[in-house]
Amino acid sequence: EAAVTQSPRSKVAVTGGKVTLSCHQTNNHDYMYWYRQDTGHGLRLIHYSYVADSTEKGDIPDGYKASRPSQENFSLILELASLSQTAVYFCASTRDRANSDYTFGSGTRLLVI
Amino acid sequence: AQKVTQTQTSISVMEKTTVTMDCVYETQDSSYFLFWYKQTASGEIVFLIRQDSYKKENATVGHYSLNFQKPKSSIGLIITATQIEDSAVYFCAMRVASSGQKLVFGQGTILKVYL
Repeated sequence: EAAVTQSPRSKVAVTGGKVTLSCHQTNNHDYMYWYRQDTGHGLRLIHYSYVADSTEKGDIPDGYKASRPSQENFSLILELASLSQTAVYFCASTRDRANSDYTFGSGTRLLVI
Repeated sequence: AQKVTQTQTSISVMEKTTVTMDCVYETQDSSYFLFWYKQTASGEIVFLIRQDSYKKENATVGHYSLNFQKPKSSIGLIITATQIEDSAVYFCAMRVASSGQKLVFGQGTILKVYL
């Protein structure tokens, strides 16, 4: 069964520290995405990738970096975590077709203190 | 730029009734795809149903159906015979062919189904 797996499921980070969120998909999808969810804002796109070794900025990329070392793996990196980055982060993947739906991971709950 | 708006923050309905959730969208593209997703209490997000902009027929999947009103840029989700398990957050989303396969989400509507 096609799946998107995120790790860790939850994390507590210290302000100014580095945080890496990982995502692995077994869907053989080309496209991968990182979204952030805050109460009242729905899901907002941070970074995405069409192909390995290439990433694109989404709508709210400031304070985040992304890495796509292979088709299956996509990481989100917070170099200097801040309180405002406390949120739930979702990874998703999809095929190269505009009418294809996304497959989402279970989310990573990040608390920055 | 694309935009999706869900104005209903929360809806409560009695079990076995029908509920409609509203969604309006903005785009300059002539080709686009509209999706509804459900987020359960555990946080899992699952795809429910899709409407293609070029199709006049409203999409239907199980007890989910869509009310697509293209002139009004509106795509409502209709759930018939609601069940307790339908209690969740529902997101409307749009994807346009020219935007690089990116989904733009609305703010979400909380649905509570009670006995």
